[in-house]
Amino acid sequence: GAGVSQSPRYKVTKRGQDVTLRCDPISSHATLYWYQQALGQGPEFLTYFNYEAQPDKSGLPSDRFSAERPEGSISTLTIQRTEQRDSAMYRCASSSELGEAYEQYFGPGTRLTVT
Amino acid sequence: AQSVTQPDIHITVSEGASLELRCNYSYGATPYLFWYVQSPGQGLQLLLKYFSGDTLVQGIKGFEAEFKRSQSSFNLRKPSVHWSDAAEYFCAVGPSNFGNEKLTFGTGTRLTIIP
Repeated sequence: GAGVSQSPRYKVTKRGQDVTLRCDPISSHATLYWYQQALGQGPEFLTYFNYEAQPDKSGLPSDRFSAERPEGSISTLTIQRTEQRDSAMYRCASSSELGEAYEQYFGPGTRLTVT
Repeated sequence: AQSVTQPDIHITVSEGASLELRCNYSYGATPYLFWYVQSPGQGLQLLLKYFSGDTLVQGIKGFEAEFKRSQSSFNLRKPSVHWSDAAEYFCAVGPSNFGNEKLTFGTGTRLTIIP
């Protein structure tokens, strides 16, 4: 696609429910990143994929968080048993594997609110 | 570990005035440095980046930034701001080797433009 898209744009859920967020990267981009951005803070790294491999998931805050990219394209971020502290903007970015590896293109984000 | 400090949480400038946003980083080697802008409801957009070479880098929308190794700084400047520059600005640092690794962001500076 023309840019990185994310869905839903807004999600309100009750504490204890599971949520799944979706990221559709720029087509042909090999690398996909997930960031969490709390209110008033900068984005913080969660995990990234190189095609379908997930070399680094050191930023995932707990085992309630997981991410997948089974076919090396679309990715999902799942949060199980949500807690209020999970409320944040979740941002996805993608980058090309070659040449412009460090230029990350960001999507509009998903605003998650846990009540 | 790498880190980024943006000491100014909020800056207000008059339209047409000059702007400088401060960024200090901590990293053991020569870093890759970035400035992103976040407008309401939009994703993060890359303004400019520094990898190596000329320490004064030009970006989009008339922005420039200067890398000063002795001061561990990468301040963003614009000679004359426009009302459309009102947004939140994030400085970020990445490791100095190609590897599709994470960016570490500062907490951001919110820019308000007054007529």
